Amino acid sequence: AQRVTQPEKLLSVFKGAPVELKCNYSYSGSPELFWYVQYSRQRLQLLLRHISRESIKGFTADLNKGETSFHLKKPFAQEEDSAMYYCALAGGGADGLTFGKGTHLIIQP
Amino acid sequence: EAGVVQSPRYKIIEKKQPVAFWCNPISGHNTLYWYLQNLGQGPELLIRYENEEAVDDSQLPKDRFSAERLKGVDSTLKIQPAELGDSAVYLCASSKTSGSFGEQYFGPGTRLTVT
Repeated sequence: AQRVTQPEKLLSVFKGAPVELKCNYSYSGSPELFWYVQYSRQRLQLLLRHISRESIKGFTADLNKGETSFHLKKPFAQEEDSAMYYCALAGGGADGLTFGKGTHLIIQP
Repeated sequence: EAGVVQSPRYKIIEKKQPVAFWCNPISGHNTLYWYLQNLGQGPELLIRYENEEAVDDSQLPKDRFSAERLKGVDSTLKIQPAELGDSAVYLCASSKTSGSFGEQYFGPGTRLTVT
């Protein structure tokens, strides 16, 4: 069975500090990993996916198959980054997504 | 582009009553998903449609939940009868094709409260 674990329910950092949101997964095959974000009073939206290898809003995430991790990082946090962040896994083919429980990121001024 | 549309946005019902949720996906999106999100949890897949065919409904509690997508566009999710534990947010999402690999576009959700 596939599983996504986000160990931090809440993460609070100061503006300008580095941010790392942790995500670990369990899947026997080659997964597709994603980060979704939900800003206050907005709908859930895709932030980035590992196959794109791109930086979105200053965020990056590297898939580490050895550690089965897909941590989300940003070197300098901004107040507008405050949101709920969900790590998600697609287990091959066109499956629905398996989500983690989410991390509430708060950027303090 | 309105994005994925869901209605109603909020629904309060008494237990044992029926309830239905409606979803209109983004035009041209063949794949439609229904997710359930409990408080403090991530979304959990209930059912996935490819056009009008339900290709993954393994997580749908079929004793009380049903879904349909008759013309391969709009979809309806029904609960009958509702139980207290069904209180949650019901999310609809769509993607262009089955090869989109998770680039799903989510609706705003329907928040259901069962009293």
